[in-house]
Amino acid sequence: RKEVEQDPGPFNVPEGATVAFNCTYSNSASQSFFWYRQDCRKEPKLLMSVYSSGNEDGRFTAQLNRASQYISLLIRDSKLSDSATYLCVVSGGSTLGRLYFGRGTQLTVWP
Amino acid sequence: NAGVMQNPRHLVRRRGQEARLRCSPMKGHSHVYWYRQLPEEGLKFMVYLQKENIIDESGMPKERFSAEFPKEGPSILRIQQVVRGDSAAYFCASSRSLGSGNNEQFFGPGTRLTVL
Repeated sequence: RKEVEQDPGPFNVPEGATVAFNCTYSNSASQSFFWYRQDCRKEPKLLMSVYSSGNEDGRFTAQLNRASQYISLLIRDSKLSDSATYLCVVSGGSTLGRLYFGRGTQLTVWP
Repeated sequence: NAGVMQNPRHLVRRRGQEARLRCSPMKGHSHVYWYRQLPEEGLKFMVYLQKENIIDESGMPKERFSAEFPKEGPSILRIQQVVRGDSAAYFCASSRSLGSGNNEQFFGPGTRLTVL
């Protein structure tokens, strides 16, 4: 079983739409959770950390459900510049330091 | 404040040659991580280093691959006798510390290795 599972998409949405991505992780001892975005052939860039209480950064809202081992990312009022691959990332447990990446969910926002 | 730097950005090698990939962490960061991304795949952890110490190399192939992070200078990922299957993007990341469990890592632009 993979450490982190994501729906690969692709998601194709119009500008202004709201889109949600989901992710599950297998290691209940995981301690840190993140969403990264990766543009084509570029490096992953940290979008936001995810906290147990849920957190918001502008149009982006992340939620964590430890009981279900489930992480989500909500993007409101999508922009063309949001087009990218969104990576669900988990860290911690017995392998402190290393990050476990999902394969990513591809988002295309069209005008 | 420069981000994580990697060089070269692109590297072409013939089968059997050696590849050396370099990574300089962000200023103030003492933890370095190497990841590999195969075409159409997710990123996979390879090795985690601090200055002069390998902390976790469980993701690195046992043969032909080695990594170091000397007291002075960049971290080096070395691949000996490269094969076509080594063709991938190799990303380096750095973090300040593991702190209270948070582990925000910042990535360099990557080195794209092509083995002919």
